[in-house]
Amino acid sequence: QSALTQPASVSGSPGQSITISCTGTSSDIGGYNYVSWYQHHPGKAPKLIIYEVSNRPSGVSNRFSGSKSGNTASLTISGLQAEDEADYYCTSYTSSPYTISILVFGGGTKLTVL
Amino acid sequence: EVQLVESGGGLMQPGGSLRLSCAASGFTVSSKYMTWVRQAPGKGLEWVSLIYSAGTTYYADSVKGRFTVSRDNSKNTLYLQMTSLRPEDTAVYYCAGGTTSLGGVAFDIWGQGTMVTVSS
Repeated sequence: QSALTQPASVSGSPGQSITISCTGTSSDIGGYNYVSWYQHHPGKAPKLIIYEVSNRPSGVSNRFSGSKSGNTASLTISGLQAEDEADYYCTSYTSSPYTISILVFGGGTKLTVL
Repeated sequence: EVQLVESGGGLMQPGGSLRLSCAASGFTVSSKYMTWVRQAPGKGLEWVSLIYSAGTTYYADSVKGRFTVSRDNSKNTLYLQMTSLRPEDTAVYYCAGGTTSLGGVAFDIWGQGTMVTVSS
């Protein structure tokens, strides 16, 4: 069971917007602004699309945006395109007393563009 | 060109050892924090270990005491020494790197991965 909870799947039509949630605790998402999001096309290397909750690396489309409220982070993709179909993972720094890990991943969300 | 290339994966028996390598080009591994992330067949990404520029290392609960991350600056290569391998270690292993401007736990350079299979 992943430390961060994401919906298993979301879908949307081209041009629409979708939001993927990522729920953690006060020991990770709620306590720090170190949430990142990755796009992963199967068989390829993951790609960083959001870091520190809402920052986009150079070269990443502004159709991708991130936010956080309490213990839940969100990734919004606007103007859906066919090439956005991929798996999306959230991660967060953690200081949970129940683990020695400092980084936790969500279980991943499969985005289907209809 | 900035690039990471993993190698060293293969088929191993339970209890065995294996060392993965991650060769960097276009940048120096000592200038970035580097990590290993794995993906078991049909599963999601799982963080494994992290080494910062100063040499501080961190591990996931599932590999602590069995895996060791290190780097050789002269070879510009990151390593993951894996011992006491278990079937649940079967996965594609990715290495990745990031710069301090990304906050310390985000990675913008990734390799293509190397497959490790642990089975008798």
